[in-house]
Amino acid sequence: GENVEQHPSTLSVQEGDSAVIKCTYSDSASNYFPWYKQELGKRPQLIIDIRSNVGEKKDQRIAVTLNKTAKHFSLHITETQPEDSAVYFCAASEFVGYFGSGTKLNVKP
Amino acid sequence: SQTIHQWPATLVQPVGSPLSLECTVEGTSNPNLYWYRQAAGRGLQLLFYSVGIGQISSEVPQNLSASRPQDRQFILSSKKLLLSDSGFYLCAWSVGRYGYTFGSGTRLTVV
Repeated sequence: GENVEQHPSTLSVQEGDSAVIKCTYSDSASNYFPWYKQELGKRPQLIIDIRSNVGEKKDQRIAVTLNKTAKHFSLHITETQPEDSAVYFCAASEFVGYFGSGTKLNVKP
Repeated sequence: SQTIHQWPATLVQPVGSPLSLECTVEGTSNPNLYWYRQAAGRGLQLLFYSVGIGQISSEVPQNLSASRPQDRQFILSSKKLLLSDSGFYLCAWSVGRYGYTFGSGTRLTVV
């Protein structure tokens, strides 16, 4: 199956700063890359996704970039707020989603 | 609208006991269904997925099994639980291969 690596495992930023989480994948057939946010004790929730026919997608303060040649994609959160604090997961999928190990984001007020 | 139900929410089971977790989806037909496990502080590990009734693909060979007796029902089972089976079990569905939606999860503690 696919192998997805995610970095960093923890990330601490000051409120208002930007946060970047990076993922790499191994299977060049993967063509769908969702990002999930999981608050403590809750289910993961889809926050943004990108398909392989585009290189960038933005939704308000959240953006995702994809480099298919290098097989890596990134989540960018601008103007971070304390409520952005959570664990974020990336995933890569051709048919079935394989998830990264997660990044715990802490936004300090 | 589509909803996914997963139960029970929490479960404490002794080592060697059987397990049955159930997941049902409403409001859609022929969904793809998935079971993931999340160990404490870890990522999401894909256990099983299904594209149709009776069709199960296993990602991790172990003492767990899955079944799909109906289109919108997915069951995770074990005949004998191990301590290492403890974790947060999440069922998910998708239409085609995009946009996985997760259930609320079952927190299993094997003692």
